[in-house]
Amino acid sequence: QLQLQESGPGLVKPSETLSLTCVVSGDSISSDRNHWGWIRQSPGKGLEWIGTIFHTGSTSSNSSLKSRVTLSLDKSKNQFSVKLTSVTAADTAVYYCARTLYYDFPYGAYMDVWGKGTTVTISS
Amino acid sequence: DIQMTQSPSSVSASVGDTVTITCRASQDVSRWLAWYQQRPGKAPNLLIFAASSLQSGVPSRFTGSGSGTDFTLTISSLQPEDFGTYFCQQANRFPSLTFGGGTKVEIK
Repeated sequence: QLQLQESGPGLVKPSETLSLTCVVSGDSISSDRNHWGWIRQSPGKGLEWIGTIFHTGSTSSNSSLKSRVTLSLDKSKNQFSVKLTSVTAADTAVYYCARTLYYDFPYGAYMDVWGKGTTVTISS
Repeated sequence: DIQMTQSPSSVSASVGDTVTITCRASQDVSRWLAWYQQRPGKAPNLLIFAASSLQSGVPSRFTGSGSGTDFTLTISSLQPEDFGTYFCQQANRFPSLTFGGGTKVEIK
């Protein structure tokens, strides 16, 4: 069955770049119906959508983060990644990757399979 | 941006009770709403998509309803494993996705 696993450094210094990778197993990252998302959750807070990378490689991201976010696909390794530049303490969170499906593209997106999450702390 | 407001923020109920959680969108999102359960320390788990479609493997005691701006998640005959925080998520304004603030369900 489909599984996702996030990886990356647990500690990043302020002003540096946070880089995370999500390895996908059990399905092809290139499959037409599969799109891939990043979501984060700050301590004790709710969920925040970071961005989505579509199977075509096109991307979209939260307008509040847009200038700092880069999403990418690596089809050869069946994985996708996110980079967040100029991080601050406000970027401390658990970061999740998830498969994003659409009920009736481009409407009705939902995340049906999630990774376990990785905790990232921004601190010097 | 579309804002999603959930109520109540928390609820405590007994096993066997019916629990109702509401989610209100700041704009019409048609039926493009999903619900998730998140247990402490775990990733969210999809329950409902397209407002009322039950995700495969999710017990039938979970029911979603609504359209436009007002949505409801109903848990019938609450079970001990239903504790956690429930989030709604809208998906009408492509490609932006936004979540509600969450409703914490505790078992008495």
